[in-house]
Amino acid sequence: ETGVTQSPTHLIKTRGQQVTLRCSSQSGHNTVSWYQQALGQGPQFIFQYYREEENGRGNFPPRFSGLQFPNYSSELNVNALELDDSALYLCASSFSHTGELFFGEGSRLTVL
Amino acid sequence: GENVEQHPSTLSVQEGDSAVIKCTYSDSASNYFPWYKQELGKGPQLIIDIRSNVGEKKDQRIAVTLNKTAKHFSLHITETQPEDSAVYFCAASTMGGSQGNLIFGKGTKLSVKP
Repeated sequence: ETGVTQSPTHLIKTRGQQVTLRCSSQSGHNTVSWYQQALGQGPQFIFQYYREEENGRGNFPPRFSGLQFPNYSSELNVNALELDDSALYLCASSFSHTGELFFGEGSRLTVL
Repeated sequence: GENVEQHPSTLSVQEGDSAVIKCTYSDSASNYFPWYKQELGKGPQLIIDIRSNVGEKKDQRIAVTLNKTAKHFSLHITETQPEDSAVYFCAASTMGGSQGNLIFGKGTKLSVKP
């Protein structure tokens, strides 16, 4: 059984650019959630995807968007990057009816 | 919306001692309370969880207790070992809706000294 995998692990962007982060869910899981974790803080919910549709969203602006594909993998896109977007972006997958989230190792984004 | 407070922010114990981390939540509709361990440079790892129909759950050296009336829940680690050193997060959610919407505390950095 493979766990949640994310790519890239690290990346550096400049303010105003766009970024795409990718996530492959754990085998058998059909739901993907994305979280942002600033340094020294707990993860904050961005949104969740189930059956290729957004199924809940946290307090993040529309420039944070996502996709889920038929194989349950997912992308997080962030447009018009700001310095405060620098964080660890975590993807978590779950089998929708259990609620137990399993996290990947994250993608560390630095915005200069 | 839900708010989760976690204490203490740092905790240092001697190997073999017990460690207790406490969390309070604000939304009485919350019914699922997981705990995660995060080691440096890694993603959070689920270590134990409890649902609102249960008051206590134990898994080897780790236990979690829930007091729904007071809206608080605690993580207990007994016989601590150096490999228990990490940041621990509590979280809360209402499982009926968007199960992925966990509200996390700010974390407790646990240091276990040999």
